[in-house]
Formats: sequence, C-alpha cells, structure tokens
Amino acid sequence: DTGVSQNPRHKITKRGQNVTFRCDPISEHNRLYWYRQTLGQGPEFLTYFQNEAQLEKSRLLSDRFSAERPKGSFSTLEIQRTEQGDSAMYLCASSPPVGREGSYEQYFGPGTRLTVT
Amino acid sequence: DQQVKQNSPSLSVQEGRISILNCDYTNSMFDYFLWYKKYPAEGPTFLISISSIKDKNEDGRFTVFLNKSAKHLSLHIVPSQPGDSAVYFCAASEDTNAGKSTFGDGTTLTVKP
Repeated sequence: DTGVSQNPRHKITKRGQNVTFRCDPISEHNRLYWYRQTLGQGPEFLTYFQNEAQLEKSRLLSDRFSAERPKGSFSTLEIQRTEQGDSAMYLCASSPPVGREGSYEQYFGPGTRLTVT
Repeated sequence: DQQVKQNSPSLSVQEGRISILNCDYTNSMFDYFLWYKKYPAEGPTFLISISSIKDKNEDGRFTVFLNKSAKHLSLHIVPSQPGDSAVYFCAASEDTNAGKSTFGDGTTLTVKP
C-alpha cells in the first residue's frame, strides 16, 4: 500500500478564491479525518467520515468549509472565499474499521500547504 | 481550553542518553493515548500508544508511561539516536470516538551526535 496521498501538496491562492483539496486514504480504511495545523501547533480536528457518512464536524469548521466523501473512498475539502487566516497545513488521515488492530491509530498523508495572499 | 498540553516546546539530548518527553491532559474521558513523530515536510507517523488500563507500554527503544491520577504521560527514548530528531506529538482519544484524536502542540527533540 502506498499510504495516504494528498493533492496538491502546495496551493497559493488569492483572498476570496475557492480552493479544493483531495485526499486518498489507505484502501481498506473506512474512516477518514481532516485536520488543520498551523505553525507551532498540533493538528486540530476538522471533520470525520465513516465510509461516506460525515459523522462529526468541529465548530472550527465555518460555513465556508465543506467536506465530502461521496463513495466512501477519496475525500475532498473545499474552502470558499478564502481568507488569510485559512493559511495552514491541511492534513488528512485514515484509520482501519473500529475493532480492528490499530483502529485508534491514524495514518497521515503529507498534507496540503495552503497560502492565502 | 487546550485539553492536551506539551509544556516543553523543545528538548536537546546527547546521543546515547535518555530522552523524556512529557504530556498532560485535562479531559478525564480520554482513555487511549498515542505518540506521533513528525519529520519536516511529512505528515505525523504513529510511534507508540497506551490504553488507560495500562500504566506502561514498551516497544524497542520507546516506552510510554501513563499516570492516570495525575493525568500525565511520558515518552522515554533510550538510547537516543540522531535519527530520533523530530517533532513529537502527544494525542488522546475517547473510546466512543475511536480514532479522532486531540493533539498537543508538540515537542521538538534534537539528539546531538
């Protein structure tokens, strides 16, 4: 398995533009997470999918943020009307089904670094 | 309010010595704890974990200790190697949300040759 992949790795956009990021989890993992990380801080939870169902959203996730996982495989995270405060590393992680060995562990992708100018 | 705290932003140790990284938490609902290691330009990588029913878990050079009454855990690396130089994140999960984790802000470990 090649692990979790994220595209693009870097995105520079102007304030007010929309951006979309993609995450491809490990194939047998049915749970998928999005986190945001800023400099000097740990990853902050944004949202969580189990298969195609979005089970939890952080209150950090404003109305400008939306995430989908339409077929329970890859996921997209869209930010509308970007603001400079959205500049961060966006990390995707996946986990095996609950009850399987390693189900508490998260396997992270390399992240997408967003810069809003 | 930060529920997982790593109060030391950085730690420097000599190769071959012990590295001790500390983590405190406030949420008594946390019952599974993990340590991740992160190199620059990569995502965090799982290192070792411990369930709240244990007070120690060992994997090679890495040992995690949990003191539930003090809401404190620590990661011991012995002997430390230059390749261990990285940012270490402590994370915690509640059983009802298996997988979703709350992270500390990390400790940057530098192991000097």
